[in-house]
Amino acid sequence: DTGVSQNPRHKITKRGQNVTFRCDPISEHNRLYWYRQTLGQGPEFLTYFQNEAQLEKSRLLSDRFSAERPKGSFSTLEIQRTEQGDSAMYLCASSLSPVGQRAAPHTDTQYFGPGTRLTVL
Amino acid sequence: EDKVVQSPLSLVVHEGDTVTLNCSYEVTNFRSLLWYKQEKKAPTFLFMLTSSGIEKKSGRLSSILDKKELFSILNITATQTGDSAVYLCAVVWNYGQNFVFGPGTRLSVLP
Repeated sequence: DTGVSQNPRHKITKRGQNVTFRCDPISEHNRLYWYRQTLGQGPEFLTYFQNEAQLEKSRLLSDRFSAERPKGSFSTLEIQRTEQGDSAMYLCASSLSPVGQRAAPHTDTQYFGPGTRLTVL
Repeated sequence: EDKVVQSPLSLVVHEGDTVTLNCSYEVTNFRSLLWYKQEKKAPTFLFMLTSSGIEKKSGRLSSILDKKELFSILNITATQTGDSAVYLCAVVWNYGQNFVFGPGTRLSVLP
């Protein structure tokens, strides 16, 4: 399967613990996005990378959240000191933007991974 | 201050029916509108619309955009139980700098 993959698929943790999720984008895709989705809502944008550079962060991304994409391939999203309100599905997406162009971030078609469902007890 | 509104939020039909899902938006510097189908996991891409009045079609699904009236519709003809899903509309605006999803329409197709 050459689509976007995410691990783990499910995570249950206690409030106050740290969690880390991983996303592996489609191999040739240079852009990677993180979203959060709660029940009955559409996904909400959190942050995005072009190659290894984190170019945009939503105001939803509090100081407890950090994302990295160190080699421009896979990405990790870490949540420190989890709270019950962090319970959600965390979706990763990737896209391919033309090389050498600093096009606006959301102009390419994004392909989503299966998500990581986080439950904070 | 909802930027993307979808209607209805929920719809139940029988196999063979035709459905029309609506997505209206209010954003500045609109760039494009996308439709996704979300079953139990990730949204899967259906269509990207950038120009008014040009219908995009894929099998029994079709979609069209009206940039003057700021809405799009997604039509599904001869529905099947496998069409049961949440259909998400997303809008790219602010010259492509912003991307926002609507709440989705949950479609249930009964046999």
